[in-house]
Amino acid sequence: GQQLNQSPQSMFIQEGEDVSMNCTSSSIFNTWLWYKQDPGEGPVLLIALYKAGELTSNGRLTAQFGITRKDSFLNISASIPSDVGIYFCAGRWDNYGQNFVFGPGTRLSVLP
Amino acid sequence: DAGVTQSPTHLIKTRGQQVTLRCSPKSGHDTVSWYQQALGQGPQFIFQYYEEEERQRGNFPDRFSGHQFPNYSSELNVNALLLGDSALYLCASSYGYGYTFGSGTRLTVV
Repeated sequence: GQQLNQSPQSMFIQEGEDVSMNCTSSSIFNTWLWYKQDPGEGPVLLIALYKAGELTSNGRLTAQFGITRKDSFLNISASIPSDVGIYFCAGRWDNYGQNFVFGPGTRLSVLP
Repeated sequence: DAGVTQSPTHLIKTRGQQVTLRCSPKSGHDTVSWYQQALGQGPQFIFQYYEEEERQRGNFPDRFSGHQFPNYSSELNVNALLLGDSALYLCASSYGYGYTFGSGTRLTVV
């Protein structure tokens, strides 16, 4: 079935640093979503991307829909302690229904 | 405005038993999807309900079944529980492109 890869698997950064992570697929996707999950909670939607090449920001977060439609990138600028968590990408390849496949996640730790 | 509500929050069951998990979608959402999230992994799609019918299904055995009610709420049933069914079960509701997750039900099978 469809699979997504995320890198890095985990990262430790200093508060104030910028963060970059990416998500790749062997298949073309029509929609990309980026979620953040805190311990014991469900994923919370950060950014949604619907068009190849699209660049979308949400505060300090910026995400891009790769031009090949097989990848997506998430950047976090000036990281703060509350950015700690697991970041998941999710992609959808059909426009009927809303079935998304999720990546394995990138675990972000922010050191004060 | 309440988001997606799931119950119970935690559950412990014995191998071989059956379990029912419940989900109330966000107001205005008519589609409910269920995901299984094993520890340290991303959510895996189980199935989706729309207009009280199962619209799509992931790679899960028939032991996993569901139902959607006229008020759009949904249930996930798992029969003959296995130790490997221990996971966080997430419900997500949507209308159009909106896709909101609940906090999940943590199921432990012993």
